[in-house]
Amino acid sequence: NAGVTQTPKFRVLKTGQSMTLLCAQDMNHEYMYWYRQDPGMGLRLIHYSVGEGTTAKGEVPDGYNVSRLKKQNFLLGLESAAPSQTSVYFCASSPGAGQPQHFGDGTRLSIL
Amino acid sequence: EDKVVQSPLSLVVHEGDTVTLNCSYEVTNFRSLLWYKQEKKAPTFLFMLTSSGIEKKSGRLSSILDKKELFSILNITATQTGDSAVYLCAVDNYGQNFVFGPGTRLSVLP
Repeated sequence: NAGVTQTPKFRVLKTGQSMTLLCAQDMNHEYMYWYRQDPGMGLRLIHYSVGEGTTAKGEVPDGYNVSRLKKQNFLLGLESAAPSQTSVYFCASSPGAGQPQHFGDGTRLSIL
Repeated sequence: EDKVVQSPLSLVVHEGDTVTLNCSYEVTNFRSLLWYKQEKKAPTFLFMLTSSGIEKKSGRLSSILDKKELFSILNITATQTGDSAVYLCAVDNYGQNFVFGPGTRLSVLP
């Protein structure tokens, strides 16, 4: 039972570089989410998707883009990384609105 | 602005102690409140509460919701070192996602 799988687990970038974080779920969930977790601030929603081909902005979307071309995958892109984007990024999925979310193990991203 | 507050932010106890974690919320439309446990990696789901006064229980963990006073508590009895984690509270405000609190970091010493 893979559940929600995130790749990579760790990454170090230099300011201005770009990268893509991949999230894959095998539970046939409609909803998928990207969060960032910073010390003392809990989980903050970056972007989310309510189905294949759809995306929407969350609480802190600036500097990030997402795509959901396939139902099982949700990609998070950083176009030009900044030190303020140093964080732990979590992907989650759920069957629908209001349902408990299943989380991946996170990606620890450091921007120098 | 919807808000979820948790207290205390950090707590250290010894094995066998009973702890109570608090979560209060201010949201425009309330549907449910969820508790998660986060050890080293992924948060894992504990409880979902939708009705006031109905206790949810799983082993040594229990939780209850008070929709009038806008809070929930998570109780852990006879704590064990394996209970050491960050406990997250989240509220569904009929949006497409949940509003999370900052978490309570619980450390259980042997």
